[in-house]
This record gives sequence, structure tokens and C-alpha cells, in this order.
Amino acid sequence: GEDVEQSLFLSVREGDSSVINCTYTDSSSTYLYWYKQEPGAGLQLLTYIFSNMDMKQDQRLTVLLNKKDKHLSLRIADTQTGDSAIYFCAVMYSSASKIIFGSGTRLSIRP
Amino acid sequence: DTGVSQDPRHKITKRGQNVTFRCDPISEHNRLYWYRQTLGQGPEFLTYFQNEAQLEKSRLLSDRFSAERPKGSFSTLEIQRTEQGDSAMYLCASSFPSGGASYEQYFGPGTRLTVT
Repeated sequence: GEDVEQSLFLSVREGDSSVINCTYTDSSSTYLYWYKQEPGAGLQLLTYIFSNMDMKQDQRLTVLLNKKDKHLSLRIADTQTGDSAIYFCAVMYSSASKIIFGSGTRLSIRP
Repeated sequence: DTGVSQDPRHKITKRGQNVTFRCDPISEHNRLYWYRQTLGQGPEFLTYFQNEAQLEKSRLLSDRFSAERPKGSFSTLEIQRTEQGDSAMYLCASSFPSGGASYEQYFGPGTRLTVT
């Protein structure tokens, strides 16, 4: 079946790197996404990676995909207070245009 | 380009009443999606349209829910005889097919429904 799992919480110190992990079950993924949701705001598409890629870097964001282990991660370098939010891992499968979301990881930044 | 807009942003209704939400997608996007998000969860897919055609519906979309996109632009989502379990954030997203696949879905701010 289609399932996406994430840990619920992550706390990091300001200036450190944050690594948010995600696992998924179905190997027929096409695109894998990271969305950010701040309180009272909608979902913001941060970045995505195509399933034939291993890595994608975009400024402070690095996405790593291990397709063999069905593991996706998002690394945020030099984490700032403005990065406090819920981060959702999401997967699009080849048979559909819908996106399956994880439950989100709440990132909190401590001084 | 003002992004995806949704109206209203908040709706409080009594159990048993009908409610209707509206979504205006990004103007050049021909795919439109509805998702539902409950507290502490990620969004769950409800249905999507390509132009005016409704191409897929989730089993979450009971017969009390109906969605339309009559002219292939804005869409409405109606919930009849609301129940307390319908309380959630209803999110709309839109995308434009590229190379035959819609892979960038952009979300609106959502409509928060509270059923009392």
C-alpha cells in the first residue's frame, strides 16, 4: 500500500544543521517532495526530487534519496528561527496524480 | 500571479447544515485538487479535476461530498448534512501538466471548517 512515515518532532540549535527523515512503502514513486507549513499558513512547496536522482541541492536545502531503502531526507543547513515549522514529506506514485503525505515533522529551534 | 485562493478562510456551522467552499487555482493551471487535513496529520487526497472533468475520487469522499469545476477554472466543494467529523482544514491545490505529469502542486491557504 501507499504509506509515508516521519518522526513527529525534531529540536535543533540555531545555526546547526537539521535533518528530517522520511520512509515510504511503495517503490513505484515518481516524485518525492518536501513541503513546509507554518502556523496559520498554507503548504509551501520547498523542493522535490525525481525518483531517478540521488541528491538535489537548493541553497540551504539538500535532499537525499535512497531508493533501495525507500528513505528520503531533508537537510537544512545553518538552521534559523524562521525555519520553525512543520515539514511534510510527500510522494507521488506513477499511477496517480495525487500526492500521499506523511504526518509531518515539527521542527523547533532552540537558541 | 496571486497563487491559489480559497474562500472562505474559516467556516463555523451547525451539525446538519450544508456548506460550500470555493477554490480559485493559479490561472494557467488546468489541474485542481482537493485535500483534507485534520489536526496533527498530513493532507489526505479527496479528489482532482483536469479542466472540468473529475478524474479521481478518494473513498474518503462520501456521498455527502460533491465537487464541481463547471468551466474548468474555479471549483466548489459542497458538504451536505455536515457532521462533527467533517471538521478539518480543506485544502485546494493546482498544477499544470508538464511532460505529461503534474508534479508541482501549489496549495492555497485552506478553509478551516468547524462543525458544532
